[in-house]
This record gives sequence, structure tokens and C-alpha cells, in this order.
Amino acid sequence: DVQLVESGGGLVQPGGSLRLLCEASGFSFSNSAMNWVRQAAGKGLEWVSYISGTSGIIHYAASVKGRFTISRDNAKNSLYLQMNSLRAEDTAFYYCARDWDGSGRGFDSWGQGALVTVSS
Amino acid sequence: QSVLTQPPSVSAAPGQKVTISCSGSSSNIGNNHVSWYHQVPGTAPKLLIYDRNKRPSGIPDRFSGSKSGTSATLGITGLQTGDEGDYYCGTWDNSLSAGVFGGGTKLIVL
Repeated sequence: DVQLVESGGGLVQPGGSLRLLCEASGFSFSNSAMNWVRQAAGKGLEWVSYISGTSGIIHYAASVKGRFTISRDNAKNSLYLQMNSLRAEDTAFYYCARDWDGSGRGFDSWGQGALVTVSS
Repeated sequence: QSVLTQPPSVSAAPGQKVTISCSGSSSNIGNNHVSWYHQVPGTAPKLLIYDRNKRPSGIPDRFSGSKSGTSATLGITGLQTGDEGDYYCGTWDNSLSAGVFGGGTKLIVL
């Protein structure tokens, strides 16, 4: 079975940094594009970032561009999200999600989410 | 303000049918397939519909998707109390080079 497990969330002060990890199993990770999607409490889903299987194509939402960096290590079946210059509005649950066809149009497997809280 | 527009809520009685709309533009829905997700509060979203009205394994055929121009629709027949929750549409926006979601629709089964 496909399994995605996020970790690395926590409480961080405004302006601080945090790195999220998503560990994948049960599928060919290196052949799968991956995404990060976030959801603030009581709000809707917000797409954050996309990375292709080879890391050759990367996209970011305008709200995080220049502050967040997505990366992956296919040898470790791991996806990362380095978050710098964090703001209160970045507070949310962060989900990693597998892209069903690599196009960014649909995500067929999701992790349980990691909570990031940005507060002083 | 979400790029895709959904109604805030819909409701219907058990056993009935409901539709949820998702409106976009030529840069997203007009040129890309739409996916639909169901989310029960406190849990991760679950894919219901993707590509040309395809359903992942385990999703019953009570759920269907359609698209016309720059709008998409999710249909649910034979409503059950377990269908309650939030529904989101999503796709890719070619102009933004970004994934986009609707604001979500809360389904209430009366």
C-alpha cells in the first residue's frame, strides 16, 4: 500500500526556519512527481509546491516563492520542504501528496499532515 | 480568494442526488482535467475523481465528474450520511504554473 508520512512540524517564531520531511513507501517514488499542499485551520486547501520525479521541474505558489524550497532524495524515498522566513500566515497543516500523472492536476495519495505553527 | 469558485455549501436528504459546481477559466479548467476530493474534518483529503471522470479503486460509482468549458461538476447519487464533509475541486493553472483549488463546499446530508 502507498504510504506517505510527514514529520518535522512544530512551533517556530516569525522569521524562523523549519524543514518538513515526507517519507514514502509502497510505490516507485523516483517515478512519481510529488507536491506539498497546506491547509490553515478552518480554511480550504492551498497548493504549495511541485517537484518532478527527477527534480528537473519545480514550481511554487506565489505566496511561498523565494522562501520555501522543495527537494527530494530518491535513494531515501524522501521529499522535503525547507521553509525559511516563516510568517504567521504560514501556520497550517502541511500535506505531502503524490501526483497521479505528474501533471499537477490530481493527487491520489496524501500523508496525514504535519502541523506548522508560526508564533512568538 | 480561490482561483476556482465553488458554492460554500449544499444539502440534500439521504438517498437523494446532489451536484457541486466548480468554475474556473481557460487557463485552468478550460484546458486541464479536474480532480475532486472529499475531506472529513481532522483527516487528509481523499481523491474521488480524476482525469476524464475516473475513480480510484474503492470509490463507488455514486460519484461522477463532468466538465463543460471552464466549469466542472461533481455528482453524488444515493446520498449517505457518510458523504458529509468538505468537497474540493482542483487542477493545474497553465498561466500561473501552479496547482489551484476551489474554496471547498460543505455537504450536509439532512
